[in-house]
Amino acid sequence: GAVVSQHPSWVICKSGTSVKIECRSLDFQATTMFWYRQFPKQSLMLMATSNEGSKATYEQGVEKDKFLINHASLTLSTLTVTSAHPEDSSFYICSARAPMQGLAGALSYNEQFFGPGTRLTVL
Amino acid sequence: GIQVEQSPPDLILQEGANSTLRCNFSDSVNNLQWFHQNPWGQLINLFYIPSGTKQNGRLSATTVATERYSLLYISSSQTTDSGVYFCAVDDMRFGAGTRLTVKP
Repeated sequence: GAVVSQHPSWVICKSGTSVKIECRSLDFQATTMFWYRQFPKQSLMLMATSNEGSKATYEQGVEKDKFLINHASLTLSTLTVTSAHPEDSSFYICSARAPMQGLAGALSYNEQFFGPGTRLTVL
Repeated sequence: GIQVEQSPPDLILQEGANSTLRCNFSDSVNNLQWFHQNPWGQLINLFYIPSGTKQNGRLSATTVATERYSLLYISSSQTTDSGVYFCAVDDMRFGAGTRLTVKP
């Protein structure tokens, strides 16, 4: 299958600071990436859809000025949590959608692959 | 938007038992995937199955698109199968998940 990495895997920051999380598709190009957050013992909540070269589409209730998303290349999307507060503490996960023509037939178009997640703690 | 419901919410099995997890969705879908989230939070792709039946070792899945449900079968369960199983549809709207605990 395809590999998606996230960095950092965990981060602790002080209230009021900004944190950037990177999501990379390592062995395929992803025109679309997704960002989720997950609270303990809950499901994944889609925050935004990121398309390469265009503005992200945010889900209802997600503050676009708070969670800045940039998808500058076909292999990299970043999520910046600006002026983080303790309530922003969560597990953030990205995913990348497989392209039309995958690796040696191993990928199905539209199949999504997830990064390992980033655990953010805001003090 | 599409509603995704998974059942049961929790499932406790003895090692070696079989189980069936269900995912219902409220409208027709183009994409459906099953994932296993391990204790470290990593989501592992199990099946990409918008329709039909697939098998991979002890796991298999069936999606009946016309009736808007998908089933994940786990046979001869092992303790390493423990974790949360999610189904997700279309733009990856996730169900609430089924928390599986397999006891030795």
